[in-house]
Amino acid sequence: AQRVTQPEKLLSVFKGAPVELKCNYSYSGSPELFWYVQYSRQRLQLLLRHISRESIKGFTADLNKGETSFHLKKPFAQEEDSAMYYCALLGRGGGNKLTFGTGTQLKVEL
Amino acid sequence: EADIYQTPRYLVIGTGKKITLECSQTMGHDKMYWYQQDPGMELHLIHYSYGVNSTEKGDLSSESTVSRIRTEHFPLTLESARPSHTSQYLCASSENLALYGYTFGSGTRLTVV
Repeated sequence: AQRVTQPEKLLSVFKGAPVELKCNYSYSGSPELFWYVQYSRQRLQLLLRHISRESIKGFTADLNKGETSFHLKKPFAQEEDSAMYYCALLGRGGGNKLTFGTGTQLKVEL
Repeated sequence: EADIYQTPRYLVIGTGKKITLECSQTMGHDKMYWYQQDPGMELHLIHYSYGVNSTEKGDLSSESTVSRIRTEHFPLTLESARPSHTSQYLCASSENLALYGYTFGSGTRLTVV
């Protein structure tokens, strides 16, 4: 069975501090991983995809197969980064659907 | 504009009423999904469809039903609403899940009183 774990429900950092949102997954094959973000009063939207190795809004995430992790990082937090972040897994053989973690609320304080 | 639309955004309804939550997308996506989400909690897949006349139950058991008669339309129906159905319902679609993930609608927040 595939599973996504986000151990922190709430992460509070100061503006300008580094951010790391943790995501661990459980899956026996080669997963595709995503980070979604939900800003206040907005819909869930894709932030970045493991497959594209991109940096969006200063965020990056590296797949570590040895640690089965896909942590989201940003060197300097901005106030506008405050949002709910969800890690999601697409597992082959599990059908074409995403499994989501429980989400982490990021609060960037001034 | 190509997008995915959910109506209504908010719905307060009495116990025992039949309700249909609408979801339409104008992107021509074959795959569509319904998730249920309580505030601040994880998303649970309740239904999905790979195309016209294809519907499957998701990981979370739900008393709701869905239909997919047209590519662009994926409505969710509750025959008899109960307070336990109070939740947010999110609709999503996808062209290529591995490449693009989901595009989500704005959600319908349902309250059954």
